[in-house]
Amino acid sequence: EIVLTQSPGTLSLSPGERATLSCRASESVSSNLAWYQQKRGQAPRLLIYGASSRATGIPDRFSGSGSGTDFTLTITRLEPEDFAVYYCQQYGSSFRTFGQGTKVEIK
Amino acid sequence: EVQLVESGGDLVQPGGSLRLSCTSSGFMFSSYSMNWVRQAPGKGLEWISYISHVGTTIYYADSVKGRFTISRDNAKNSLYLQMNSLRGEDTAVYYCAPRGTYFDSWGQGTLVTVSS
Repeated sequence: EIVLTQSPGTLSLSPGERATLSCRASESVSSNLAWYQQKRGQAPRLLIYGASSRATGIPDRFSGSGSGTDFTLTITRLEPEDFAVYYCQQYGSSFRTFGQGTKVEIK
Repeated sequence: EVQLVESGGDLVQPGGSLRLSCTSSGFMFSSYSMNWVRQAPGKGLEWISYISHVGTTIYYADSVKGRFTISRDNAKNSLYLQMNSLRGEDTAVYYCAPRGTYFDSWGQGTLVTVSS
């Protein structure tokens, strides 16, 4: 099983600031990595797939980068609606796995 | 518009069984692989099972292998999860999600509570 480790566990930032979230895989997943946003009481929402492609309707302040084992999700200017939990997910293996999540909270 | 509606969640005793359903619309169900993903209260997301579009390839996470069975009925645009020998740690919201890669559509989920 490919283990995804996200860091930090919690990110405390103010609106307008830049957020940088990390996801590290225990072995290479090539570019087969996605990012999701989840707000309390809601289903997850796909943000990024293929490590760097934005899903339909996702604002361009969200961007993804990386390949192999190290990936980054960047939110350039945090909007109030961006405070949520973010998960990475790999599909480089037949057995999909998620990271444990990073909570982005208001400072 | 893609719609996924999970149902069948309930309160069940440890050791009991439950069958979840996921009814879909808005896309060609028979052409898509499907998955079950769950989320325990206050915890992260856990992928638990995959089935190919014709049902010939199936995978399970170790946490449910041997206890859960995924299946589908393409004529009814429906996905199922038969859950046996349920444990407290199976308590979660269960989501179905299409695609064999990333998950771009989600239902609202159905809550399974395993408790005596």
